[in-house]
Amino acid sequence: QVQLVQSGAEVKKPGASVKVSCKASGYTFSSYEINWVRQATGQGLEWMGWMSPNSGSTVYAQKFQGRVTMTRSTSISTAYMELSSLMSEDTAVYYCARLLITGTIRYFDLWGRGTLVTVSS
Amino acid sequence: QSVLTQPPSVSEAPRQRVTISCSGSSSNIGNNAVSWYQQLPGKAPKLLIFYDDLLPSGVSDRFSGSKSDTSASLAISGLQSEDEADYFCAAWDDSLNGWVFGGGTKLTVL
Repeated sequence: QVQLVQSGAEVKKPGASVKVSCKASGYTFSSYEINWVRQATGQGLEWMGWMSPNSGSTVYAQKFQGRVTMTRSTSISTAYMELSSLMSEDTAVYYCARLLITGTIRYFDLWGRGTLVTVSS
Repeated sequence: QSVLTQPPSVSEAPRQRVTISCSGSSSNIGNNAVSWYQQLPGKAPKLLIFYDDLLPSGVSDRFSGSKSDTSASLAISGLQSEDEADYFCAAWDDSLNGWVFGGGTKLTVL
């Protein structure tokens, strides 16, 4: 079954870091970019960046530069997103999403179920 | 504030047709393909439309997409109660060098 399985909910204090995992199954992990998108309660989707599982190269949204790190472990087909210096505004559901690229056509065709990260003192 | 502009909510009666708009600029919709996602309450987004107007396998043909210049639209015909969800548009932005989304539109089937 083709799916992305994310790690469970986290509660963190302000200033801490959180690392969310996204395990791919049912397809060749290295063949598709993994993107991270977050959604605060009642808000829209916000793109954080992407990572190439093949090369490990990354592109981060300017807003998160310096605070986010996206990595992967190819041996276990898992992508990771670590966000540091957490603030209350980082409270959100974090999604990993597979990006399908065919020529100039790009879209997110597979999403994880999301990981709720709560930042609270 | 989302880069792509969508109406916060729309509503329509069962069996009717509704359209959701998504307005952008030349750096995103005007130069790149639009995709649409459905998000049922408490669930992850699901791909509805890609490359402006193409349906993925398994998506009902009651859904359709279109694009003109810097705006895109999602139409849903034959509305059903199970269509009640949030709908988001997305596109790559050449100026921001990243993906941008609409703020989402909540569809209510009356």
